[in-house]
Amino acid sequence: EVQLVQSGAEVKKPGESLKISCKGSGYSFTSYWIGWVRQMPGKGLEWMGIIYPGDSDTRYSPSFQGQVTISADKSISTAYLQWSSLKASDTAMYYCALPYYYDSSGPGDYWGQGTLVTVSS
Amino acid sequence: DIVMTQTPLSLSVTPGQPASISCKSSQSLLHSDGKTYLYWYLQKPGQPPQLLIYEVSNRFSGVPDRFSGSGSGTDFTLKISRVEAEDVGVYYCMQSIQLPSYTFGQGTKLEIK
Repeated sequence: EVQLVQSGAEVKKPGESLKISCKGSGYSFTSYWIGWVRQMPGKGLEWMGIIYPGDSDTRYSPSFQGQVTISADKSISTAYLQWSSLKASDTAMYYCALPYYYDSSGPGDYWGQGTLVTVSS
Repeated sequence: DIVMTQTPLSLSVTPGQPASISCKSSQSLLHSDGKTYLYWYLQKPGQPPQLLIYEVSNRFSGVPDRFSGSGSGTDFTLKISRVEAEDVGVYYCMQSIQLPSYTFGQGTKLEIK
């Protein structure tokens, strides 16, 4: 069974750094793109970027380029989203996701449970 | 970025009645590989989104057949033939023709009357 399990909720102060994680299991971690989606309180969904763990090819949506860093450690099947200096406006729920794909097992599309990040002084 | 525009932004539907949501993209979602990269998601309260429809009209695993998708190019529609109480939530269309700039529509909130 494919699963994406995210790290727990975080409460941080403006200016602090943060790295949240998403551990994949039940599939070949290095063979599928994995992405991050932001949902600000009461708002819609925004793709932030995506990484191919097999070769670490990373692409960012223009709005998030330079604002966050996406990485992956294939040795532990874990993707990361990190900030070097948080702002109050980074307060949001963050989801990791395996966006739609089709392989020998058929179609797939999987999401983590979400990590709530609260940035407040 | 491709802009996805959904209408209406909210729906209030009596159980058993149909519902329809429109999604228009600012550019064609038809790829040179012949596929159209348009998806529909439902986000139920307190949950991550769940895929309902992929590539315009294909129901994802476990999705009831009361859900259907149609359209082409830049105009797409999600229809629910008979709304049930469990269908409440926010519906999003999403395009993935442009890696990494996938974009979602604003969302359509479905409520039960």
